[in-house]
Amino acid sequence: GDSVTQMEGPVTLSEEAFLTINCTYTATGYPSLFWYVQYPGEGLQLLLKATKADDKGSNKGFEATYRKETTSFHLEKGSVQVSDSAVYFCALSRGGTSYGKLTFGQGTILTVHP
Amino acid sequence: KAGVTQTPRYLIKTRGQQVTLSCSPISGHRSVSWYQQTPGQGLQFLFEYFSETQRNKGNFPGRFSGRQFSNSRSEMNVSTLELGDSALYLCASSLSGASNQPQHFGDGTRLSIL
Repeated sequence: GDSVTQMEGPVTLSEEAFLTINCTYTATGYPSLFWYVQYPGEGLQLLLKATKADDKGSNKGFEATYRKETTSFHLEKGSVQVSDSAVYFCALSRGGTSYGKLTFGQGTILTVHP
Repeated sequence: KAGVTQTPRYLIKTRGQQVTLSCSPISGHRSVSWYQQTPGQGLQFLFEYFSETQRNKGNFPGRFSGRQFSNSRSEMNVSTLELGDSALYLCASSLSGASNQPQHFGDGTRLSIL
């Protein structure tokens, strides 16, 4: 079945450091890929998405490129801020009869220190 | 535009009871999905509704059920509650549930079973 694997956390960085959170997936066909962020006590917020190979999603300085050859969708940010501290989830959505279903990775906790 | 609204935010129940959670999607969104979030299992898909019909279902026992009304609002019911049902239950909506559409999440209902 479908699966998403994220790098083990937690990740601790200093402000203005470079961030990479690795995400790889297993799925049949051509899934759409997403990154969501969850702040304490809240639901998930969409960070960015990519719906086909080589697409680059970007938002608020975060970027991720859909790499079909390596089945990856790594999240990057050039300079993190304290306010980026949160839990980040990589997810995929497959077409066909898999309506409304997101398959999530286990989440990566990011803590950014001043 | 109002986001996804889930009520109540917190619930405390005892084993054997039943509970109903409510979700109001973003206006115009007709697909509603439900997820269970726990520290051990992460985010798991429960089911998806569109036009009052369940189109997709995750791997949960029959104690977990749902429905959708003609205005796209959805409810989720859990009967004969068990300690393991303690979790954050998240609702998400999208226009039609297609794989390339992002889902928008509510802040969740925190269910605690005593």
